[in-house]
Amino acid sequence: DQQVKQNSPSLSVQEGRISILNCDYTNSMFDYFLWYKKYPAEGPTFLISISSIKDKNEDGRFTVFLNKSAKHLSLHIVPSQPGDSAVYFCAASARNFGNEKLTFGTGTRLTIIP
Amino acid sequence: DTGVSQDPRHKITKRGQNVTFRCDPISEHNRLYWYRQTLGQGPEFLTYFQNEAQLEKSRLLSDRFSAERPKGSFSTLEIQRTEQGDSAMYLCASSTGDFGTEAFFGQGTRLTVV
Repeated sequence: DQQVKQNSPSLSVQEGRISILNCDYTNSMFDYFLWYKKYPAEGPTFLISISSIKDKNEDGRFTVFLNKSAKHLSLHIVPSQPGDSAVYFCAASARNFGNEKLTFGTGTRLTIIP
Repeated sequence: DTGVSQDPRHKITKRGQNVTFRCDPISEHNRLYWYRQTLGQGPEFLTYFQNEAQLEKSRLLSDRFSAERPKGSFSTLEIQRTEQGDSAMYLCASSTGDFGTEAFFGQGTRLTVV
């Protein structure tokens, strides 16, 4: 069963505009959420995270929003830049339940059009 | 210390052979994780260590797979009697284990079983 879902396999956005990547989860024990960015032939690189006690976390051009009631989170990138083109993975863990392993979604390939 | 290091980067092996991968985590990190990623999927958890203790193993880790972290520093992942279905990217990650800190990933070992 897919506990973390990224329903959009790909997304194309014009440079300078906002990119919005979405993620849904089903496991109510998840309390820590992360976004990773991955370039081909490299390991995932951490981007931003959010704890379930918050509903928003911002870091420069990147903002993650968490809607616990809907079990939904989103990553906003603004303004989008060509270097943002990569595959983005949403991940979740149940840290307060002593479980640190990450459960990943299937990824969204973001392409920024110059 | 430049991050999590994995060796080799690529491995091609014949079906039925044994292979071993190595991961060197970030030096002050006591948690070490192994994940596997196949095409079109997100990374899937295999196992993790706190220092030298293996704390959790996924059911994905069949009895042909074994992981060790003998001195709580580097780790090895061995696959015996490889099968074509073992072809994947094997990712190692490390973390301090503190709440609110993320796992850092290595660049992965790409295994191809022919």
